[in-house]
Amino acid sequence: GAVVSQHPSWVICKSGTSVKIECRSLDFQATTMFWYRQFPKQSLMLMATSNEGSKATYEQGVEKDKFLINHASLTLSTLTVTSAHPEDSSFYICSASFPAKGAQYFGPGTRLLVL
Amino acid sequence: EDKVVQSPLSLVVHEGDTVTLNCSYEVTNFRSLLWYKQEKKAPTFLFMLTSSGIEKKSGRLSSILDKKELFSILNITATQTGDSAVYLCAGDTGGGADGLTFGKGTHLIIQP
Repeated sequence: GAVVSQHPSWVICKSGTSVKIECRSLDFQATTMFWYRQFPKQSLMLMATSNEGSKATYEQGVEKDKFLINHASLTLSTLTVTSAHPEDSSFYICSASFPAKGAQYFGPGTRLLVL
Repeated sequence: EDKVVQSPLSLVVHEGDTVTLNCSYEVTNFRSLLWYKQEKKAPTFLFMLTSSGIEKKSGRLSSILDKKELFSILNITATQTGDSAVYLCAGDTGGGADGLTFGKGTHLIIQP
């Protein structure tokens, strides 16, 4: 149990385009999902907390108009990077809170490269 | 500001050796400490520790928490090359309802 998927695994796009990343909890319902970003050789940094049916809570320094988060159901959260620029190139990882265990389980991540 | 510090940052040992990875934390409203293993992709869950002094074990891996000293260790015995990875520890304040605060990780390399 506690499987989280992400789609796509890899995205290469041109500067100025928008990219949508999906995060799904496959075998459990997650009222809370999280989006992290990881730059090369650095640790994971929390970007935002996504709650089903309500607005996401963003960490300081993360632009909410640039990183749009939608948590439409108990099994799906999406992150849209709007007007992506090369500095947005990173590894984006989502996690879902598994209520029974109180721990977070991570998706496989999405590598974004903006040219 | 919550802080998680891991040491060492990098460690190279030979197969069969035992390693101890360290994690200290300063986390307001601390609920639990989690250990993850990250290879090429996203972290995979290893342990969640909530109580002091109770060792959690999974095969050759074990971990323990000291809530008085705000410290945790992860032990790996009889290391294998497949143990090579970045090991992350994270402080949790919300029992799964809040984002985690991660340390920078320990990059462990096991040489044959």
